[in-house]
Amino acid sequence: GESVGLHLPTLSVQEGDNSIINCAYSNSASDYFIWYKQESGKGPQFIIDIRSNMDKRQGQRVTVLLNKTVKHLSLQIAATQPGDSAVYFCAEKHLTGNQFYFGTGTSLTVIP
Amino acid sequence: KAGVTQTPRYLIKTRGQQVTLSCSPISGHRSVSWYQQTPGQGLQFLFEYFSETQRNKGNFPGRFSGRQFSNSRSEMNVSTLELGDSALYLCASSLVLGAAQETQYFGPGTRLLVL
Repeated sequence: GESVGLHLPTLSVQEGDNSIINCAYSNSASDYFIWYKQESGKGPQFIIDIRSNMDKRQGQRVTVLLNKTVKHLSLQIAATQPGDSAVYFCAEKHLTGNQFYFGTGTSLTVIP
Repeated sequence: KAGVTQTPRYLIKTRGQQVTLSCSPISGHRSVSWYQQTPGQGLQFLFEYFSETQRNKGNFPGRFSGRQFSNSRSEMNVSTLELGDSALYLCASSLVLGAAQETQYFGPGTRLLVL
C-alpha cells in the first residue's frame, strides 16, 4: 500500500531561523506532491506543490525540494515567523490517480 | 472565489445516533473527498466523489456513507455513532482534468463529538 511518512513528529525553531520539514514516500510511481499547513482548529491549507519532473520549486518564503532517487520531499521555510507555527503535511499521488495519500504531519513550533 | 465550505462546524451527538455533514466545493470543482482526522491516526481517507459517483473508498465500515449531488455538493452520513467516531471531518475539493484530480483544497472541517 501507499506509505507517506515524516521523519520528525515535532520541530522547534527560533524565530528568524530557517525551518526544514522532511517527508519520505515509498511509491516510486508517485509524481505529484503537495505540502499543506494546518493551524489549530482549521482545515489544511495548500502551501506549495511540485511535480516529479521538477527538483525544486519556490514560493513566498517556502521552497519544496524533491529527490526522486531516495523518494524524499522537503519543505524549507525561510525566516520562520510565529505565524508559521502549525502542523505540516505532505501528500502525494500519481498524476493520473484519484486519491491523495497523506503523511502523519510534523508539528512546527516557532520560539519568539 | 469562495473556498470549500462545510456545515455544521461543530456537532455533539450521542452514541447510536446518526449524523449528516455537508460540503460545498469550490465553484467549478467536481471532485469531493472526505477525510477523518484524529490526533492518533492523522488524516484518513473516507471516500471520493466525482460526477455523483463514488470513485474511491477508504477502509471504513459501512456505517460511513456519502453522496454527491448534481451541483457537486456532497454529504456524508455516519449511522449508529460510536465514541471512536469523534473527530474532525474534512472535505476537500479539486478540479478534475481528464479523470485525474488536481490539487485538493480543504474546508474548515466539522468537529464531531460523540458522547
